[in-house]
Amino acid sequence: GQNIDQPTEMTATEGAIVQINCTYQTSGFNGLFWYQQHAGEAPTFLSYNVLDGLEEKGRFSSFLSRSKGYSYLLLKELQMKDSASYLCAVGSGGSYIPTFGRGTSLIVHP
Amino acid sequence: DAGVIQSPRHEVTEMGQEVTLRCKPISGHNSLFWYRQTMMRGLELLIYFNNNVPIDDSGMPEDRFSAKMPNASFSTLKIQPSEPRDSAVYFCASSRATSGRGYNEQFFGPGTRLTVL
Repeated sequence: GQNIDQPTEMTATEGAIVQINCTYQTSGFNGLFWYQQHAGEAPTFLSYNVLDGLEEKGRFSSFLSRSKGYSYLLLKELQMKDSASYLCAVGSGGSYIPTFGRGTSLIVHP
Repeated sequence: DAGVIQSPRHEVTEMGQEVTLRCKPISGHNSLFWYRQTMMRGLELLIYFNNNVPIDDSGMPEDRFSAKMPNASFSTLKIQPSEPRDSAVYFCASSRATSGRGYNEQFFGPGTRLTVL
């Protein structure tokens, strides 16, 4: 099985930078996903990491350390619309089907 | 592209009634997933299909739950009989299994919010 841990809630100020951490324990790791989910809406794909290091995509970046079972999502120049739940998900085995963590609710305030 | 389509968007029913949730995946996607999301348990995979064939249903909570995919453009999730603890948001997602990138980017439907009284 998999064990995925991320903070339940975080708050940050508009324009700031926030880092959302995710730790995991799994066998047969084959990638880590981040999804964004606004309240009352469906999750949408943000990023996928399978190799160690930082992947940058606009204001969002995702980092992975496989040896430490650790990832983070970095959000820069925060906007009010970034208030959402951020789900860390881990793929394992041969299927690449992600198992989702409970999500981190990010609240961005003015 | 219309995206993943789910119906109904909201369903309120009484305990013991049969509930059928419907999903139309994105055209050309050959993997389909049913998830359940609650505050307590987060987003849980119930079952997934590849090319209309059920691959893993280990997440289906019990025999009251069943899922079918009669063709590439339609799937149903049925709960019979329903119980109050089944109240949740049920998401359907689809992906292209052989995306060439070695992973499945899943596209989620808007979900069905089920309330069982």
